[in-house]
Amino acid sequence: NAGVTQTPKFQVLKTGQSMTLQCAQDMNHNSMYWYRQDPGMGLRLIYYSASEGTTDKGEVPNGYNVSRLNKREFSLRLESAAPSQTSVYFCASSYPTGVGTDTQYFGPGTRLTVL
Amino acid sequence: AQTVTQSQPEMSVQEAETVTLSCTYDTSENNYYLFWYKQPPSRQMILVIRQEAYKQQNATENRFSVNFQKAAKSFSLKISDSQLGDTAMYFCAFCSMEYGNKLVFGAGTILRVKS
Repeated sequence: NAGVTQTPKFQVLKTGQSMTLQCAQDMNHNSMYWYRQDPGMGLRLIYYSASEGTTDKGEVPNGYNVSRLNKREFSLRLESAAPSQTSVYFCASSYPTGVGTDTQYFGPGTRLTVL
Repeated sequence: AQTVTQSQPEMSVQEAETVTLSCTYDTSENNYYLFWYKQPPSRQMILVIRQEAYKQQNATENRFSVNFQKAAKSFSLKISDSQLGDTAMYFCAFCSMEYGNKLVFGAGTILRVKS
């Protein structure tokens, strides 16, 4: 049981390049999330997927796209990377019960630098 | 909009002593959940403790306990018998079903445990 996994762990891009961050979970969770972490600002939600087949914007979606490939996998794509997207990216998953809110479990993060 | 405020950017404590980290939040909702996450230098986000707003009893997990004051919208974390391994960034977070189970994080408090 690996929990939430993310690839790659580190990535350096040049401005204008594209890339996809991969996330997978093996906990049979319905909901998945992408956050970015910047110094002094905590984690901010980029996109989330409440269930397979649905995605919604979070607080800071501009410059990103997502795909919920199946129940296990949720990818984040940067079509044209900008230096402002230099950050640490976290994927998380949870199993909302419908009568309350369940705990989110996080992957190890991807450190992305855009030059 | 929900907001979470951590007013202490950095704190330090001597090994074996007790320390309290502060968190306040703003919401108009009545049913919600509050969390403390720990992020050690490894960058992994680890759940420390969770509190349901409808429960009056404060949550406790071994050396970690909270002081939840719903009327004051305050949610502080107390760490007893501090250990060197407690050195980390600590994030307070808010979540509710009405807000789509999305976590809202504070900016974090860096805690350093000194020997």
